[in-house]
Amino acid sequence: GQQLNQSPQSMFIQEGEDVSMNCTSSSIFNTWLWYKQDPGEGPVLLIALYKAGELTSNGRLTAQFGITRKDSFLNISASIPSDVGIYFCAGQLYYKYIFGTGTRLKVLA
Amino acid sequence: DVKVTQSSRYLVKRTGEKVFLECVQDMDHENMFWYRQDPGLGLRLIYFSYDVKMKEKGDIPEGYSVSREKKERFSLILESASTNQTSMYLCASSFPGQRTRRGNEKLFFGSGTQLSVL
Repeated sequence: GQQLNQSPQSMFIQEGEDVSMNCTSSSIFNTWLWYKQDPGEGPVLLIALYKAGELTSNGRLTAQFGITRKDSFLNISASIPSDVGIYFCAGQLYYKYIFGTGTRLKVLA
Repeated sequence: DVKVTQSSRYLVKRTGEKVFLECVQDMDHENMFWYRQDPGLGLRLIYFSYDVKMKEKGDIPEGYSVSREKKERFSLILESASTNQTSMYLCASSFPGQRTRRGNEKLFFGSGTQLSVL
C-alpha cells in the first residue's frame, strides 16, 4: 500500500533539544494527523490538523498543515526522555488514511 | 476519551487454526478499521467497515474476513492462520469524514494484538 514520505527516519537528540520532522505526499489531504507509538503499543493521537496553513499546539508539540495540503510538520520543543518512540503522520481523505514511514526518536539524557 | 479495546494483547496460534480478533469502541463511531503493522512495511489496511454489516476490502484482504454485527464491534477472522500472518494487528475507529464536522476525521487506535502463528 501507499506510504507517505517521512523524514528523518531516525534521530538521536540530547535532552532539552528541539526536534523537527515532516511528511510529504503527492496527494492532497483533508486532514493531517500525528501519532506517537511506543514499542508493543497502539498509536496514540497527538495532534489533528484540518485546513491548509493551520498551526496547532499540544503542550510541547506543534504541528502545521502545509499550504499545498500535501505536507505537514511536527515540532517537539525541549525534548525529554519520555519523548522516545516512533512518530508518524497520517493523511486522511474520506475513508482513506495513508500513513507515513515513521520517525524513530531517541533522546539522550 | 475515545476508547478502542482489543480483546487480546498477545496471541499464539498454530498454523491452520481459525483465529478471531475482537475490537470494541465506545464512541458510537460509524467507521472501523483493521490494519496490520510490520517492520519496514508500515500500516496496511486489511478491511474497513462504514456501517453495521457493511465492509470493504482494504489493501491486503487475502486470508482474512471480517464481521460487523453491531456498531461498536468489529471482528477480524483469520480463516486458516499461516506463519506469514504473524504480525501486530491494530483496530481503529472514526466518524465519517465530513469536512463540516470538524474533529470527526480523527482516527483512534486500540492497543494492538501481537499475533504469533507457529
